[in-house]
Formats: sequence, structure tokens, C-alpha cells
Amino acid sequence: SQKIEQNSEALNIQEGKTATLTCNYTNYSPAYLQWYRQDPGRGPVFLLLIRENEKEKRKERLKVTFDTTLKQSLFHITASQPADSATYLCALLYNSGNTPLVFGKGTRLSVIA
Amino acid sequence: DSGVTQTPKHLITATGQRVTLRCSPRSGDLSVYWYQQSLDQGLQFLIQYYNGEERAKGNILERFSAQQFPDLHSELNLSSLELGDSALYFCASAEGGGLTGELFFGEGSRLTVL
Repeated sequence: SQKIEQNSEALNIQEGKTATLTCNYTNYSPAYLQWYRQDPGRGPVFLLLIRENEKEKRKERLKVTFDTTLKQSLFHITASQPADSATYLCALLYNSGNTPLVFGKGTRLSVIA
Repeated sequence: DSGVTQTPKHLITATGQRVTLRCSPRSGDLSVYWYQQSLDQGLQFLIQYYNGEERAKGNILERFSAQQFPDLHSELNLSSLELGDSALYFCASAEGGGLTGELFFGEGSRLTVL
């Protein structure tokens, strides 16, 4: 079965720096890859979607890359702020019938002022 | 506010009991998804309904069942509860049946089984 690994459970960075989170997957590539933000005790909130034929997507301070050769997505937050502290979830959607979004366990980001 | 409403927000019950979690999707969304989130397992897909019909099934236990009603709200029934069923249960909705865009999540129902 497909396995999704978000390479670290927790990441601490200094305010103003760029945070880079990694999502690796095994076996075949998904049709779509999404990133969500989840605050403690809250539901995940959609951030960005990237398709398998896209290399990079940007939205304000966020950037996502998708490398199907490496089977990896990188999620960047530039000029990070303490308000960016949250857990970030990678989610994959496959084009094999009625398959749902499959989520990674997430990386907890702490931005220190 | 995602527009997805889940009730109750918190629920404490005993082993062996049965509970019902309720979800109202965003206006216009036909798909409802249920996910379970525990500390060690992350978000696990349980089941999806589209316009009243079951569309996809994940690792949902036989003790759990769900349905989507004509007004598109959904209920997740958990019976013969065990300590390990303690978790956050999320409902999410989407416009279509085949997911190509984002999921809109509710705030979850936190179930504690004592």
C-alpha cells in the first residue's frame, strides 16, 4: 500500500527564515498533492494543491514543489512568522477509482520569535 | 469558518456504549467524508458518501456505520465502543464525487471513551 512520510515530526525555526517541510511517498505518483494546515484541536485547512504535471506552485509566502522522479514534495514558507506555527499535513490523491485523500502524519512547525 | 458543522464538539462515554456524530456539509457540497485522527495514526479515512450513496470505504470498523440523508447531512454511528476508539472524528465536504480540489473540514468531534 502507499506510504507517505513527512520527514520530521517537529521543526523549529527562527522568525524570518524559510521553513522547508518534506513529503515523501512510495510506489506510484499521485494525480494531485495537497498541503493542509492544522492548528491544535482544529480541523485541517487547505493551503495549496499541485498536480503531477506541475513542478511548482506559489501562493503569497508559500511555495510547493513536486518531483515525481524523487517521489517528493517540498513545502516552503518564506519570511516565517510565529503565526505560521502549526502542523502541516501532506495529502495525496490517486487517480485509481474512488480513492480518497491519503494524509501524512504531519510536521509540527514552531516559529520562534 | 469552513462552513462544515459538526456536533457534538466533545463527547465522553463509557466502553460498550454507542454514539452518533453529526455533520452538515457546506452548502452545495454533495460529498461528505469521515476521518479519524488519533495521536499515533494521523488522519485515517473512514468512509465517503456522495449524494446519499456510499462512494468509498476505508479502514472503517464493522462496529462503525454511516449514512448520508436526503438533505445531505451525514451521521457516523460508533457502537460497542472501546478505549481505542477515543479520537478526533472529522467530517469534510467537497463539491463533487471525485475529488479534484480541496476538502473543507469541520472542527471535529472529540470522543473520549472511559
